[in-house]
Amino acid sequence: SYELTQPPSVSVSPGQTARITCSGDALPKKSTYWYQQKSGQAPVLVIYEDNKRPSGIPERFSGSISGTMATLTIIAAQVEDEADYYCYSIDNSGYHRGVFGGGTKLTVL
Amino acid sequence: EVQLVESGGGLVQPGGSLRLSCAASGLTFSGSWMTWVRQAPGKGLEWVANMRLDGFEKYYVDSVRGRFTIYGDNAKNSLFLQMNSLRAEDTAVYYCARGVTKLDLWGQGTLVTVSS
Repeated sequence: SYELTQPPSVSVSPGQTARITCSGDALPKKSTYWYQQKSGQAPVLVIYEDNKRPSGIPERFSGSISGTMATLTIIAAQVEDEADYYCYSIDNSGYHRGVFGGGTKLTVL
Repeated sequence: EVQLVESGGGLVQPGGSLRLSCAASGLTFSGSWMTWVRQAPGKGLEWVANMRLDGFEKYYVDSVRGRFTIYGDNAKNSLFLQMNSLRAEDTAVYYCARGVTKLDLWGQGTLVTVSS
């Protein structure tokens, strides 16, 4: 079955740039979506279609894609950005079956 | 206010059944997709199923296919997940979300516990 691979954890100090990667064979053809989940809360969409930012999401969040790897970048990360981040896409079966990456715990301290 | 509200979770014995509901307010269902996502305690998000609300397309993760059924009632602006033959590994918080990839609206989740 199709898989998206993320690092389990990333740690930065406040004000530094955080980068979270997501690799998957179909990512050159299927868009990547990024979700932020803070403890005890429902996920929130932070990036869609590889690099678009929904309204209300701070400009410090951005997305990019290079080959089979998508990257979520948080410039000048803040303490409130500490959360679990999940990439998400559709598998390469030709059907709309979703798949999440395993999630990355971002620590900002 | 636009929101999704899940209900129907609870404690059920292995082999039992449960029906989850997702009620939408402030938005109309027709012409869109809806998705169910679950999260086992202390684990990551797992895509469970989605459907196009005209009913012509439905997809399931392999582990629930044949046991779970996703369906909607456009007149009631509601999405459902009928879960049969439940197993311990189905224990999770279940979220409904609007969309198929761009999941831009989520409910607060409902907890399903499968245990004897």
